[in-house]
Amino acid sequence: AQSVTQLDSQVPVFEEAPVELRCNYSSSVSVYLFWYVQYPNQGLQLLLKYLSGSTLVKGINGFEAEFNKSQTSFHLRKPSVHISDTAEYFCAVSSTGFQKLVFGTGTRLLVSP
Amino acid sequence: DTAVSQTPKYLVTQMGNDKSIKCEQNLGHDTMYWYKQDSKKFLKIMFSYNNKELIINETVPNRFSPKSPDKAHLNLHINSLELGDSAVYFCASSQTGTGGIDTQYFGPGTRLTVL
Repeated sequence: AQSVTQLDSQVPVFEEAPVELRCNYSSSVSVYLFWYVQYPNQGLQLLLKYLSGSTLVKGINGFEAEFNKSQTSFHLRKPSVHISDTAEYFCAVSSTGFQKLVFGTGTRLLVSP
Repeated sequence: DTAVSQTPKYLVTQMGNDKSIKCEQNLGHDTMYWYKQDSKKFLKIMFSYNNKELIINETVPNRFSPKSPDKAHLNLHINSLELGDSAVYFCASSQTGTGGIDTQYFGPGTRLTVL
């Protein structure tokens, strides 16, 4: 069975500071990894995904993530955050042949001036 | 213009009632999903349909019945609503790729409150 752990339920950070949101996964097969963002009272929007190839994945809004197979991690980073990045961030995993996404519990990013 | 739309956006109802939530996608995708997000923001898949056929049916009470009249629509009917059904329900869609997984696009959600 697959699972995703997002250790930080909330990450407070000041505007223009760098941020890293942690994600670890557990799976016995090859995985596909995703980061989604949910702005207040909205649906989920895809930030980036890792399917294969380069382990450093660049997404929208200046975010990037690195797939680390040995550490079973897929941490999300941004070098300089904006107030508008305040949102809930979800890491998710899926596998070949399985259409369902298994989500982590989410990390709330709080950016203050 | 909306890719995945859901109606209604908000639904407030009494325990014991029956209600439906509708979802439509105009992306031409062949797979649609229903997810439930609880009060702690935890998201869990409930159902998935591929070309109108049920392919994922997680452990969900049989009071929940999905229906897919065509590839572009997936509705969720809930009988005998209970307090614990209060949540945000998200519809999503994707196109099956050669790798067996593809990006899922989510609707704006339906916030269901059972009183």
